[in-house]
Amino acid sequence: QKEVEQDPGPLSVPEGAIVSLNCTYSNSAFQYFMWYRQYSRKGPELLMYTYSSGNKEDGRFTAQVDKSSKYISLFIRDSQPSDSATYLCAMSGSRGSTLGRLYFGRGTQLTVWP
Amino acid sequence: EAGVVQSPRYKIIEKKQPVAFWCNPISGHNTLYWYLQNLGQGPELLIRYENEEAVDDSQLPKDRFSAERLKGVDSTLKIQPAELGDSAVYLCASSPQGQSSTDTQYFGPGTRLTVL
Repeated sequence: QKEVEQDPGPLSVPEGAIVSLNCTYSNSAFQYFMWYRQYSRKGPELLMYTYSSGNKEDGRFTAQVDKSSKYISLFIRDSQPSDSATYLCAMSGSRGSTLGRLYFGRGTQLTVWP
Repeated sequence: EAGVVQSPRYKIIEKKQPVAFWCNPISGHNTLYWYLQNLGQGPELLIRYENEEAVDDSQLPKDRFSAERLKGVDSTLKIQPAELGDSAVYLCASSPQGQSSTDTQYFGPGTRLTVL
């Protein structure tokens, strides 16, 4: 079992839909949670960053972390065709093998059609 | 500000041949990472440098992979000899410090390797 699990999709939604992406993890040492967006033939770029449990909102994007359930989510409101990409969750911690190292999910491929 | 630069962007070689990838991190970033991304998977760390020192190379297959970061700036990742299973995207990333897990890692576009 991988330390970070993510449904690869693919996920296809119409423009304007609310998109929900999520990951589960097994290592309780993870404290920092990130969502990266990766366009085809490009490197991942940081989209959202959250420390510990709670919510964080940035424009149309909301990241949620529930450490008790080891579950993180990314919501995209009013989705646009330009949001079509692969979304990768990533996490790290502050001790041992989790320090300074990102553990990625396998990514969810999202297509938003006009 | 220029981002992380990688070259070549694409490389096709035959198995058993050597191959090398080059990375130039963002100016001033002390920490450099090499990741391997297989098709349909997330990146997996191969090696992390703090300046010139490899501080985490536990995931690097040392029988065929090697890396160096001379002078604490550019880095080269080498595979010798390459195997069919090495076909993947090799990503380089950098961050200002790296010791802190709050540091943002900035990724380059990657080198797509195909081994025939």
